[in-house]
Amino acid sequence: GAGVSQSPRYKVAKRGQDVALRCDPISGHVSLFWYQQALGQGPEFLTYFQNEAQLDKSGLPSDRFFAERPEGSVSTLKIQRTQQEDSAVYLCASSLRLVEQAPSGGYTFGSGTRLTVV
Amino acid sequence: AQKVTQAQTEISVVEKEDVTLDCVYETRDTTYYLFWYKQPPSGELVFLIRRNSFDEQNEISGRYSWNFQKSTSSFNFTITASQVVDSAVYFCALSPAYNQGGKLIFGQGTELSVKP
Repeated sequence: GAGVSQSPRYKVAKRGQDVALRCDPISGHVSLFWYQQALGQGPEFLTYFQNEAQLDKSGLPSDRFFAERPEGSVSTLKIQRTQQEDSAVYLCASSLRLVEQAPSGGYTFGSGTRLTVV
Repeated sequence: AQKVTQAQTEISVVEKEDVTLDCVYETRDTTYYLFWYKQPPSGELVFLIRRNSFDEQNEISGRYSWNFQKSTSSFNFTITASQVVDSAVYFCALSPAYNQGGKLIFGQGTELSVKP
């Protein structure tokens, strides 16, 4: 597709429920990032994939968070046993190459999934 | 530690006014990248500019200009003759150059409201 697509757009989960958030990056984009954006805050890095390899997961807040990109394209962010503090917008971004190699260096972000845990 | 500070939480201007959004960063890296992104109400982050730490030339793109000053660790963004469509939240971000895949460290954002 022309842009980064994220689904669902909105998700309401009961506390303790598992959720799965999907990201379809731009076709051919090597790098894929997940960010978490709490209300009124800047996005915070969660994890990074280069193709199917998860090279950095230092931002995942707990072992309840898990991300995968098995074929190097679509990625899924899974949150187990959701808690109220997980309520946020989850943003996915992709890039054709690593930032150091990209002429412009910009990432293309999706519109995000707004997760509300009640 | 790496950090980006956008001290202005909200700015309100009247159309056609010039407005400057401040960004101050902290890093011990000698090579890094700085970005500005725009987040309209629809939610996606729109890339505006990337600067390399070794290139302190200021840049102008239409009504937008950026002032990068390494001596004061600042990367300020000016919109000339603001328009209502400029209303959005603007984020400054820092990326370390060593190979962490280029993850971005964002400031808290400045919400710009341009009134007609």
